[in-house]
Amino acid sequence: AQSVTQPDIHITVSEGASLELRCNYSYGATPYLFWYVQSPGQGLQLLLKYFSGDTLVQGIKGFEAEFKRSQSSFNLRKPSVHWSDAAEYFCAVGGANAGKSTFGDGTTLTVKP
Amino acid sequence: EAGVAQSPRYKIIEKRQSVAFWCNPISGHATLYWYQQILGQGPKLLIQFQNNGVVDDSQLPKDRFSAERLKGVDSTLKIQPAKLEDSAVYLCASSLDIASSEAFFGQGTRLTVV
Repeated sequence: AQSVTQPDIHITVSEGASLELRCNYSYGATPYLFWYVQSPGQGLQLLLKYFSGDTLVQGIKGFEAEFKRSQSSFNLRKPSVHWSDAAEYFCAVGGANAGKSTFGDGTTLTVKP
Repeated sequence: EAGVAQSPRYKIIEKRQSVAFWCNPISGHATLYWYQQILGQGPKLLIQFQNNGVVDDSQLPKDRFSAERLKGVDSTLKIQPAKLEDSAVYLCASSLDIASSEAFFGQGTRLTVV
């Protein structure tokens, strides 16, 4: 069975500091991996996705993620966090059908001024 | 391009009542999904449609939940009768096709059952 673990329920960082959100997955085949962001009262917005190729993927809003097969991880990073990045972040894993993914329980990001 | 539209945005009902949610996917998108997102958890897939046919409803509690997409465009999700544990945000998503690399989510309907 496929699953996603996001070990950090809540992370607080100062504006301008770097950010790393952790994601570990379990999947029986080659995984398709996604990071989504959800602001209060909003739906999910895709930040980036990994299917194959370069293990470092770039996304929107200055985010990037690195796929590490040996560690079954797909951590999200941003070098300098902005106050507008405060939101909930979800990692997801699945096959070629992007809409049929298994999501982690999310990490809530708070940004301190 | 218009996104995925959902209504209502909020709904409060008493337990044992019925409720229905509506979703209008992005124009031309053949695949439609309904997710349930309980507070503090990630979204969980309830049902997937391809055009007007059900592809996967294995996680749908069929004793109380039903969904349809009769003309292969709009979809409705119904709960009858509702239970307290059905309180959640119900998200609709659509993708161009079943093997699309991206799905687009609506803003969701927040259901509170009291």
